[in-house]
Amino acid sequence: GENVGLHLPTLSVQEGDNSIINCAYSNSASDYFIWYKQESGKGPQFIIDIRSNMDKRQGQRVTVLLNKTVKHLSLQIAATQPGDSAVYFCAENRGRGEKLTFGTGTRLTIIP
Amino acid sequence: DAGVIQSPRHEVTEMGQEVTLRCKLISGHNSLFWYRQTMMRGLELLIYFNNNVPIDDSGMPEDRFSAKMPNASFSTLKIQPSEPRDSAVYFCASGAHNYGYTFGSGTRLTVV
Repeated sequence: GENVGLHLPTLSVQEGDNSIINCAYSNSASDYFIWYKQESGKGPQFIIDIRSNMDKRQGQRVTVLLNKTVKHLSLQIAATQPGDSAVYFCAENRGRGEKLTFGTGTRLTIIP
Repeated sequence: DAGVIQSPRHEVTEMGQEVTLRCKLISGHNSLFWYRQTMMRGLELLIYFNNNVPIDDSGMPEDRFSAKMPNASFSTLKIQPSEPRDSAVYFCASGAHNYGYTFGSGTRLTVV
């Protein structure tokens, strides 16, 4: 039979606009979360992290928001550029120290 | 620092052959993770080491897979005998406690 593969959510954003990528996590014991960016043919690249004692953290053009009540994590990218096109993964530690579990990813496409 | 270095970048081998993937950690990092990425299953943690000691190998598919960390800066992942279903991109990542991992560029393995 034919392999279906994982169905990646996709998001297309006009260059220069802001984008928001969402992630639902499952384990209330998770206390450390990371967003990674993976470009085609490359390994995942660390973008930004956040610990459970915070609800917001900002980096250069990126902001991560954490809502522990609903177990939701989001990544906001401001003023998107073509180089932001990639698959974005959220990862959580599920309360197990440094062992990270990755989500399925979201494919972001920036439209020039 | 050159980052996490994996070799080879690509490997094509015949079913039944032994395959050895190599990983050099970032200096000063004490944790090492091996992941496998496929379209069907996404990023899966195979095994991780802390201070050269295997901590969790529950993700290793079966006895055909083995991993070693002979010193603080180097690790190998061996598949013997290899099978077509082992075809995937294999990543190693290194990290320091409670900080995000740094991934290598991966080894694309094709077993024919």
